[in-house]
Amino acid sequence: GDSVTQMEGPVTLSEEAFLTINCTYTATGYPSLFWYVQYPGEGLQLLLKATKADDKGSNKGFEATYRKETTSFHLEKGSVQVSDSAVYFCALTHTGTASKLTFGTGTRLQVTL
Amino acid sequence: NAGVTQTPKFQVLKTGQSMTLQCAQDMNHNSMYWYRQDPGMGLRLIYYSASEGTTDKGEVPNGYNVSRLNKREFSLRLESAAPSQTSVYFCASTREADTQYFGPGTRLTVL
Repeated sequence: GDSVTQMEGPVTLSEEAFLTINCTYTATGYPSLFWYVQYPGEGLQLLLKATKADDKGSNKGFEATYRKETTSFHLEKGSVQVSDSAVYFCALTHTGTASKLTFGTGTRLQVTL
Repeated sequence: NAGVTQTPKFQVLKTGQSMTLQCAQDMNHNSMYWYRQDPGMGLRLIYYSASEGTTDKGEVPNGYNVSRLNKREFSLRLESAAPSQTSVYFCASTREADTQYFGPGTRLTVL
């Protein structure tokens, strides 16, 4: 079955540092890939997505590129802010499966001044 | 638009009690989902409804039942709560093959 593996957290960075959160997946075919973010006490919200190989999703300074050859979708941001402190989830879905999402375990990011 | 709403926000139950978690969406989405979130385990799918009138089991359905009351509403019922069901429960909805939108969650504690 499908699976998503994320790097263990927590990740602690100083403000303006470069962020990478690794995500790799195991799936048949060509899934769509997502990054969701969960701020403290809230539900998940979509951060970015990519639906085919070599697509780059981007939003709020975050980027991730769908790499079919390495089955990866790593999240990056050039300069993090304290307000980026949250839990980040990598996820995938297949077309025609009622859009069911398979999630990674989440990576907590803590940004300090 | 309110998006996806969930009630209640918090609930404490004793072992063996029953309760229903309510979810509603106002985006005219066809598909709806119930997930549970546990520390270190991400989100796991309990049940989903691909369209009005249909429901299917997800990864962890045992101990739960669902009802797709109409296109807007999808409820999750715990018939006899157990401590292992202590978790945060999220409802989500989507148009077909698109982004899922999540509610704010229900934090449930079973004593």
